[in-house]
Amino acid sequence: GAGVSQSPSNKVTEKGKDVELRCDPISGHTALYWYRQSLGQGLEFLIYFQGNSAPDKSGLPSDRFSAERTGGSVSTLTIQRTQQEDSAVYLCASSRTSGAGLGADTQYFGPGTRLTVL
Amino acid sequence: KQEVTQIPAALSVPEGENLVLNCSFTDSAIYNLQWFRQDPGKGLTSLLLIQSSQREQTSGRLNASLDKSSGRSTLYIAASQPGDSATYLCAVTLGGYALNFGKGTSLLVTP
Repeated sequence: GAGVSQSPSNKVTEKGKDVELRCDPISGHTALYWYRQSLGQGLEFLIYFQGNSAPDKSGLPSDRFSAERTGGSVSTLTIQRTQQEDSAVYLCASSRTSGAGLGADTQYFGPGTRLTVL
Repeated sequence: KQEVTQIPAALSVPEGENLVLNCSFTDSAIYNLQWFRQDPGKGLTSLLLIQSSQREQTSGRLNASLDKSSGRSTLYIAASQPGDSATYLCAVTLGGYALNFGKGTSLLVTP
């Protein structure tokens, strides 16, 4: 079946502009995650959605970052007033569920969106 | 805060060698641990997931072990091949979802 897809694959923007990054999780996966991979910083957790529950936004670095998940499927990560330090690869992942054990927690990652802020 | 450390940061071995990648974490109250590989310019591919109640998992030439009490995991790769060249990432979860990643080990297997 299809894996996690993300669009666009690359995005170049000017400082101060808003950007939207999209993630399509694997069909049937109830859990969706956003991570960011910066040079020298490694991968860091941003936000987590599970079904219809309120998302865990504890990893968002500032209030310029927000995300939503419509209909329990597609998710959009929005960065307002982009800064140069936002340049990174933004990775989305999904899992069948979370916390249930027995391999259901395995997270499957998309190819990422490389964001460059000039 | 959970700290995940991977040693070595980079490793180069000739084809055919067996090798071990190391991962350590500071908070032993993990929910599970996952090993991933990342190829340049691509996303992450899950290799093995070990639940906190398990000691090891095996998939083909890969074997991952987990020692929660000492805060360590190892990924053993048998009979390495040039196609194994990639960055290997270790990640743990505390609450059952958000992954805390190490910075990875960059592996090069030379023909």
